[in-house]
Amino acid sequence: QVQLVESGGGVVQPGRSLRLSCAASGFTFSNYGMHWVRQAPGKGLEWVSVVSSAGTVTYDGDSAKGRFTISRDNSKNTLYLQMSSLRAEDTAVYYCAKEGDGSPYSFDLWGQGTLVTVSS
Amino acid sequence: ETVLTQSPATLSLSPGERATLSCRASQSVSSDLAWYQQKPGQAPRLLIYGASNRAPGISARFSGSGSGTDFTLTITSLEPEDFAVYYCQQRRNWPPGATFGGGTKVEIK
Repeated sequence: QVQLVESGGGVVQPGRSLRLSCAASGFTFSNYGMHWVRQAPGKGLEWVSVVSSAGTVTYDGDSAKGRFTISRDNSKNTLYLQMSSLRAEDTAVYYCAKEGDGSPYSFDLWGQGTLVTVSS
Repeated sequence: ETVLTQSPATLSLSPGERATLSCRASQSVSSDLAWYQQKPGQAPRLLIYGASNRAPGISARFSGSGSGTDFTLTITSLEPEDFAVYYCQQRRNWPPGATFGGGTKVEIK
């Protein structure tokens, strides 16, 4: 069925790195821009990063600039987020999200999220 | 960066009542505004895109309106499953980043 499934979250020490994955199925992954959105415990949604459908254009939010790298492998229908120099404030549930069919400016499919906890 | 301000932060209503949620943008976003519903422990779900278009499978009791800087999500006759947090979101061509409002919690009175 149509779905996004994130993996790779866990507990990591400050300053370390972690790579998140998002496996897509049920739709033509290579046709859509893909995003990462995060949510700190008890807080609202924060957009993190976007990669174009072909993977040639990326753009990061302020929280990701210089530390996170978004990428994709269309042959594997998988989105990635490489996170480095992690800080306590990066603790959050990380969601991958697909740009919408009705409008590319919205997100019509979300994964269930993967929890990243940055703690010593 | 376009800032989205949602009001009120919390809305206390009873089942069957009408809910009116507001989202104001710091600059015009044309009609490129979406609304999401999020329940505890779940991912957000798209309700409205393009300011007024219901996403597939979304009940007709949800409607969106507005353009430019002022937007409204209306839920007519609240059902028990509608009590949740609602977020507005905008994104443009360039820069392609998105921003979300702070959310409105619709709680049972």
